Amino acid sequence: GQSLEQPSEVTAVEGAIVQINCTYQTSGFYGLSWYQQHDGGAPTFLSYNGLDGLEETGRFSSFLSRSDSYGYLLLQELQMKDSASYFCAVNQGGKLIFGQGTELSVKP
Amino acid sequence: DAMVIQNPRYQVTQFGKPVTLSCSQTLNHNVMYWYQQKSSQAPKLLFHYYDKDFNNEADTPDNFQSRRPNTSFCFLDIRSPGLGDAAMYLCATGPGREKLFFGSGTQLSVL
Repeated sequence: GQSLEQPSEVTAVEGAIVQINCTYQTSGFYGLSWYQQHDGGAPTFLSYNGLDGLEETGRFSSFLSRSDSYGYLLLQELQMKDSASYFCAVNQGGKLIFGQGTELSVKP
Repeated sequence: DAMVIQNPRYQVTQFGKPVTLSCSQTLNHNVMYWYQQKSSQAPKLLFHYYDKDFNNEADTPDNFQSRRPNTSFCFLDIRSPGLGDAAMYLCATGPGREKLFFGSGTQLSVL
């Protein structure tokens, strides 16, 4: 089986930095992905970590520590449009299993 | 240009009346996935294909079936929809495990 834990809600102000953590327990691990989903929309791929360390893509960065079964998504220079749900997902045996999601609210 | 297309965007059906949701992809990837997502919940994998090789999740109800006649198209059939099947149904494909492209989804309502 597998389980992923992430905070249910995070609130931050415009221009700030926010970190969304994800811990996982899974048998068979190939990597950790992050997806963004706006209300009523489809999930959109943000980032992937197959190896330990930091991956940077513009304002978004993602980190993975396989020994700690832990990763995080870092969002910098927050904008109002970043208000959305963020899901970590484990790639396991050819399929993607999602965490419960973190709802990020960005305030002015 | 949309790469994963789902039709219809909204589907209303009656309790117990069979319904089919469709998905097509222009990316020519071997894998296709169907997810169910209920309000404020994570997408839940129902089944996936690798080419024509069908993989059913252990907890996917028998009420849900799928067909993949060719690489581009995939269908989700719900044989006897119940009220609990009302959800967003998402189709996805991708070059590998790490990055999926999702369609816009079909929001299913059961009356």
